[in-house]
Amino acid sequence: DQQVKQNSPSLSVQEGRISILNCDYTNSMFDYFLWYKKYPAEGPTFLISISSIKDKNEDGRFTVFLNKSAKHLSLHIVPSQPGDSAVYFCAASDVGKLIFGQGTTLQVKP
Amino acid sequence: DGGITQSPKYLFRKEGQNVTLSCEQNLNHDAMYWYRQDPGQGLRLIYYSQIVNDFQKGDIAEGYSVSREKKESFPLTVTSAQKNPTAFYLCASSISGPRTEAFFGQGTRLTVV
Repeated sequence: DQQVKQNSPSLSVQEGRISILNCDYTNSMFDYFLWYKKYPAEGPTFLISISSIKDKNEDGRFTVFLNKSAKHLSLHIVPSQPGDSAVYFCAASDVGKLIFGQGTTLQVKP
Repeated sequence: DGGITQSPKYLFRKEGQNVTLSCEQNLNHDAMYWYRQDPGQGLRLIYYSQIVNDFQKGDIAEGYSVSREKKESFPLTVTSAQKNPTAFYLCASSISGPRTEAFFGQGTRLTVV
């Protein structure tokens, strides 16, 4: 049973516009969430995280929003750049391990 | 340079053979993990270890084995019992405790023919 879900396999946006990647989770005990970025044939790299005591965390062009009541988080990238084209994974921290979603492939068109 | 090293990057094996994937880290992290990536299925946890000489099964441990004899090393053996071993394997490490991010190696692409 998938505890972390990314229901959109792909997203395409124009350079300079906002990219919004979504993630849903089922376990209300999760209290820490992370986003990773991954290029083909490489390991994921950490982007940004958020604790459940917050509803927003910002780092440069990247902002993560957490809606605990809806068990939903989203990653906003503003402005989007062609170099942002990659697969994005959300993850939840669960008792000493990370549980990942299926990933969303973002394509930013010049 | 601190980091996680997985070797080799590409690995080919014949069906029925066991194969061991290497993972070494010099970040002084206590926790280490093995994930498998398949198209459309994200990263699925195979095994993880929070401390030397201890490890736990993840969601898809069947057909795999691990050891954690040293803090810096967490090798993964893909046995002949693993029905679909061809995949991209990722090793990661982190400091112990909640609310920490994991750092990943570059991955090993295993192809079984």
